[in-house]
Amino acid sequence: DTAVSQTPKYLVTQMGNDKSIKCEQNLGHDTMYWYKQDSKKFLKIMFSYNNKELIINETVPNRFSPKSPDKAHLNLHINSLELGDSAVYFCASSQVTSGRADTQYFGPGTRLTVL
Amino acid sequence: GDSVTQMEGPVTLSEEAFLTINCTYTATGYPSLFWYVQYPGEGLQLLLKATKADDKGSNKGFEATYRKETTSFHLEKGSVQVSDSAVYFCALSNYGQNFVFGPGTRLSVLP
Repeated sequence: DTAVSQTPKYLVTQMGNDKSIKCEQNLGHDTMYWYKQDSKKFLKIMFSYNNKELIINETVPNRFSPKSPDKAHLNLHINSLELGDSAVYFCASSQVTSGRADTQYFGPGTRLTVL
Repeated sequence: GDSVTQMEGPVTLSEEAFLTINCTYTATGYPSLFWYVQYPGEGLQLLLKATKADDKGSNKGFEATYRKETTSFHLEKGSVQVSDSAVYFCALSNYGQNFVFGPGTRLSVLP
């Protein structure tokens, strides 16, 4: 069984379009994350949700909107896509114990290419 | 805020060479420390971790010791293989639910 899954794996789209990436975890964790990885492999956290509540919202354009229908799912919707949005997006999950996140488990990533 | 610094590489070694990837951190209190590995085309996966000072994490021949006095968590392996070629990330987790990753170090092992 896949612990953290993402769909789609690849996404190619035109500038200005709107797209969504879906993430699901079956680990029973209470916290989920979205990361953006650039071409140099630098990993930047975008959002963190704990039990469907937004905790971390780093400086990202408001074209990016996360949605968590339940604690096993965290989707990422992107409006008006731009060339600079091209990257690999990773979903992750972890359990928070005594206020500290334990091991994060990552999905396989979604490679987004904006033309 | 908390931060992680690691050698950015790339690091190129011959098979069976000794590997060290340095990692130092800045954080308040007592964070947990992690090494993650990312193989080409895949997501990050946990390699090893340590949750308190002097703990040693180990997995697949890799080791790292949590050194609070030097705020370091250097990754070592005695004899690398071609299959170890990947990007390695040092990371910390601290109270307040921050998880901070270093910039990653690309390792290439040549046969």
